[in-house]
Amino acid sequence: AQSVTQLGSHVSVSEGALVLLRCNYSSSVPPYLFWYVQYPNQGLQLLLKYTSAATLVKGINGFEAEFKKSETSFHLTKPSAHMSDAAEYFCAVILQGAQKLVFGQGTRLTINP
Amino acid sequence: EPEVTQTPSHQVTQMGQEVILRCVPISNHLYFYWYRQILGQKVEFLVSFYNNEISEKSEIFDDQFSVERPDGSNFTLKIRSTKLEDSAMYFCASSGQWAGELFFGEGSRLTVL
Repeated sequence: AQSVTQLGSHVSVSEGALVLLRCNYSSSVPPYLFWYVQYPNQGLQLLLKYTSAATLVKGINGFEAEFKKSETSFHLTKPSAHMSDAAEYFCAVILQGAQKLVFGQGTRLTINP
Repeated sequence: EPEVTQTPSHQVTQMGQEVILRCVPISNHLYFYWYRQILGQKVEFLVSFYNNEISEKSEIFDDQFSVERPDGSNFTLKIRSTKLEDSAMYFCASSGQWAGELFFGEGSRLTVL
């Protein structure tokens, strides 16, 4: 069965520093991959998605992610962290033809001033 | 901007009571979902609904759970006899296409005493 693993339940970076949130997937066939963000007391919002087109995907708020099949990874990055980026980030996967989106455990991002 | 709305935002109930959580998906969407998030844990898939029927459900979605789309606008999740372990945040989501962006509501927090 497909799944995603997020390395690090909590990541802390300084404002202006690089953000790197790690996600690895396990799937026997090419999946569709997503990153969602959850701000406090809100629902989940799509940041970006990979659907087998370009391997480097750009999303909202300056985030991007690169699909690397050889590493089964889909890490999320942002060159310069902003205080407003503090939130919980979820990697998710869906297999072609399946209905359900499977989420990783989530990574809480804290931004230090 | 269209959004998914959920009611109630918070419900407290006694163990064994029936609970109905309501959702109004985005009007032209075709795929509907319920997810839940137990405090401190990952977002878990419960059920997907398409073409007026359940298209996929998880092991969590047992006989105590049911979904309905009674009037073409509302999408409800019913828990017949709540248990303590049903305490969680329940998220409704909708999508206009398969593997498209899921739009999430802000969630309904259920507390079972």
